[in-house]
Amino acid sequence: SQTIHQWPATLVQPVGSPLSLECTVEGTSNPNLYWYRQAAGRGLQLLFYSVGIGQISSEVPQNLSASRPQDRQFILSSKKLLLSDSGFYLCAWRTSYDTEAFFGQGTRLTVV
Amino acid sequence: DQQVKQNSPSLSVQEGRISILNCDYTNSMFDYFLWYKKYPAEGPTFLISISSIKDKNEDGRFTVFLNKSAKHLSLHIVPSQPGDSAVYFCAAGGGSNYKLTFGKGTLLTVNP
Repeated sequence: SQTIHQWPATLVQPVGSPLSLECTVEGTSNPNLYWYRQAAGRGLQLLFYSVGIGQISSEVPQNLSASRPQDRQFILSSKKLLLSDSGFYLCAWRTSYDTEAFFGQGTRLTVV
Repeated sequence: DQQVKQNSPSLSVQEGRISILNCDYTNSMFDYFLWYKKYPAEGPTFLISISSIKDKNEDGRFTVFLNKSAKHLSLHIVPSQPGDSAVYFCAAGGGSNYKLTFGKGTLLTVNP
């Protein structure tokens, strides 16, 4: 069966520090991968998605970037965090032929 | 531009009664719709989906209705249980677009 791992669960980082959140998927090949952010009162906002290794589509211009160095690995990064980067970050995957996406447990990021 | 709208931030229902969660969309290119349930500090869990060629899909206590002419869908939960208390997100996708667009969510509280 397929599983998705996302870590860490919580993170407190100072303003200006770098960020690296990692997500890996097991039990499937060539998944579509997604990074979402849930900020207070704003629902689930799509940040990045990828349909293959090295392919990244950005939805919202911001202080973040994403990379997909391997088929089932998706990384969210920042060189210098801002206070506004605080939120609940969610990684998700789905196959190219299914409609439903499956989410990881999320990372609560607090920038102080 | 918010393409998927959940206009009720919250809903309170008595245990055993019906819960009706509503969602409206603006993009006619959407051809499938999904409902997710989310507990605090966890990733969303897929509940049920519906294709645009159908007007109803049922899975146990959960039924989703789609009215394409009105660009409206709803999730019915019968009977409601206290464990159903969570935030419910409506999502939509379609065409060659790999994205899932989410609404802002509705907090359902089922009172014993």
